[in-house]
Amino acid sequence: AQSVTQPDIHITVSEGASLELRCNYSYGATPYLFWYVQSPGQGLQLLLKYFSGDTLVQGIKGFEAEFKRSQSSFNLRKPSVHWSDAAEYFCAVGVMEYGNKLVFGAGTILRVKS
Amino acid sequence: DGGITQSPKYLFRKEGQNVTLSCEQNLNHDAMYWYRQDPGQGLRLIYYSQIVNDFQKGDIAEGYSVSREKKESFPLTVTSAQKNPTAFYLCATRFYNEQFFGPGTRLTVL
Repeated sequence: AQSVTQPDIHITVSEGASLELRCNYSYGATPYLFWYVQSPGQGLQLLLKYFSGDTLVQGIKGFEAEFKRSQSSFNLRKPSVHWSDAAEYFCAVGVMEYGNKLVFGAGTILRVKS
Repeated sequence: DGGITQSPKYLFRKEGQNVTLSCEQNLNHDAMYWYRQDPGQGLRLIYYSQIVNDFQKGDIAEGYSVSREKKESFPLTVTSAQKNPTAFYLCATRFYNEQFFGPGTRLTVL
């Protein structure tokens, strides 16, 4: 069965420091992978996506992610975190066999300290 | 102004009552989805519809029902059979392989 694991429930970083959020997936076929961000009580906003091609993908707000097939990972990175980045981040894999549903990880809550 | 509208933003109901959550879109997307979000569990798929007059159960469909009579609308009914309905509900549409999410409805059952 398809699954996504985000090992870190909470992460705290200092403003200006670099950030890496981890994501591992389990899916038999070539995955479609996504990172979404959610502010409290809001919907989800797409940060970036990977379908094929270059394994390093750039997204909005200065985020990037790298797809590593050998490690079944799709980690999210940002070189310098801003206080406005504090939110919850979700990694997801698209499952084509079931109407392209998304299977989500449990999320990582990012706290930014000044 | 294109987008996905979910109403109401907050909904309170007594235990044992059915309640319907609204999802409307003007993006002209064929596929629509309902997800449930609980703290620490991410989002889980309740139902999805790839075309008008057709819908499929997702991973946690028990206690929920949907209809898809119009392309723009995909309402979700939370029935009294749903054992733990208090949650945040998100509607989404899909264009090719990308999903777009509405602002959500927080349902609290008292």
